[in-house]
Amino acid sequence: KAGVTQTPRYLIKTRGQQVTLSCSPISGHRSVSWYQQTPGQGLQFLFEYFSETQRNKGNFPGRFSGRQFSNSRSEMNVSTLELGDSALYLCASSMERDRGLEDTQYFGPGTRLTVL
Amino acid sequence: QQQVKQSPQSLIVQKGGISIINCAYENTAFDYFPWYQQFPGKGPALLIAIRPDVSEKKEGRFTISFNKSAKQFSLHIMDSQPGDSATYFCAASIMEYGNKLVFGAGTILRVKS
Repeated sequence: KAGVTQTPRYLIKTRGQQVTLSCSPISGHRSVSWYQQTPGQGLQFLFEYFSETQRNKGNFPGRFSGRQFSNSRSEMNVSTLELGDSALYLCASSMERDRGLEDTQYFGPGTRLTVL
Repeated sequence: QQQVKQSPQSLIVQKGGISIINCAYENTAFDYFPWYQQFPGKGPALLIAIRPDVSEKKEGRFTISFNKSAKQFSLHIMDSQPGDSATYFCAASIMEYGNKLVFGAGTILRVKS
């Protein structure tokens, strides 16, 4: 089974621009979560999508948004990029058999975003 | 209340030794505690996870010890190998609310051969 794939793997943008990152979950997985990883703040939860609906949201400004498509693929968008948005953005998918049960999240390799 | 505190920040262990990483949490609503391993250039991968109704869980050389009253849990890596050199993250979540993981800051483990 193919793992979680993220595109692109590397991205360089300048301040003020916007960016869209893509995530393809493992086949059959319905939940997709996004995390930001930086040396200073570590791994921080951005949001989770399930059945095309945002189910959870972390403490990030409205410049960060996402969506999920009917095939469970997900995109996240960051508008008006700031230098501090430079990070590794990780996508994780899980099967979601039932709420309240353990649901292993499988992470992709991430997209390394550099904002100049 | 959402924080998970992890220590130490870095750890050097001799090959064959025991690596111990500790985490503490405040939110008693957390009911799922996974540990993730991350190699450079890769995303985190689930190593082992525990629920608070269990005090210990072992999978191969990896053991989680869980102390509910102290709100602490730890990862023990027995017979540590150079291939275990990686960054380890503890995490916590409330399963009813979905897949929002709160991560510790991470521990960089180096196993010397």
